[in-house]
Amino acid sequence: GAVVSQHPSRVICKSGTSVKIECRSLDFQATTMFWYRQFPKQSLMLMATSNEGSKATYEQGVEKDKFLINHASLTLSTLTVTSAHPEDSSFYICSASRYSRGATYNEQFFGPGTRLTVL
Amino acid sequence: AQSVTQPDIHITVSEGASLELRCNYSYGATPYLFWYVQSPGQGLQLLLKYFSGDTLVQGIKGFEAEFKRSQSSFNLRKPSVHWSDAAEYFCAVGAGYQKVTFGIGTKLQVIP
Repeated sequence: GAVVSQHPSRVICKSGTSVKIECRSLDFQATTMFWYRQFPKQSLMLMATSNEGSKATYEQGVEKDKFLINHASLTLSTLTVTSAHPEDSSFYICSASRYSRGATYNEQFFGPGTRLTVL
Repeated sequence: AQSVTQPDIHITVSEGASLELRCNYSYGATPYLFWYVQSPGQGLQLLLKYFSGDTLVQGIKGFEAEFKRSQSSFNLRKPSVHWSDAAEYFCAVGAGYQKVTFGIGTKLQVIP
């Protein structure tokens, strides 16, 4: 259990276009989903946290108008990179956590990532 | 705020040799600690985690890690490394309700 998928796994787009990445929890309901960005040879940096049915919380320095996050259901969150530029090229990874009653910590389960290349 | 330090950016070991990857964390309360492995172009796979209880944690693929509160460390170990273990390893600390902070990663190279 606790499988998270991402689609697409790889996308190449032209500068100025928008790209949507989907993150799905396949066998559980994810109350919270997270979006990370990983530049080459670097660690994962949290971009934003999204709770189903509410607005995402963005980390400092992440442009909310550029990286639109929608968490419309308990199994789906989307990240849209608007007006993408070459500097947005990166590996984007989502994770999802499920609510466990009485738990002091809700573990995150990670998707396989999406490689975005902006030409 | 929590932080994670992985002092070794790159480690090379011979196949069959033992391995220890270092991880130090900074967090004011009891941390939730994780080790993940990432192969090139892939997502993260959880190797093991520590939430509470026994400080020596067993994980998948023959890995183990020991939580030492006095040293704020959570080092990853494997007694005999296989060529397929070559990958990037990330230590992470979970704090607050669910937020996770990752270390910079240690790239493991395995030579025959």
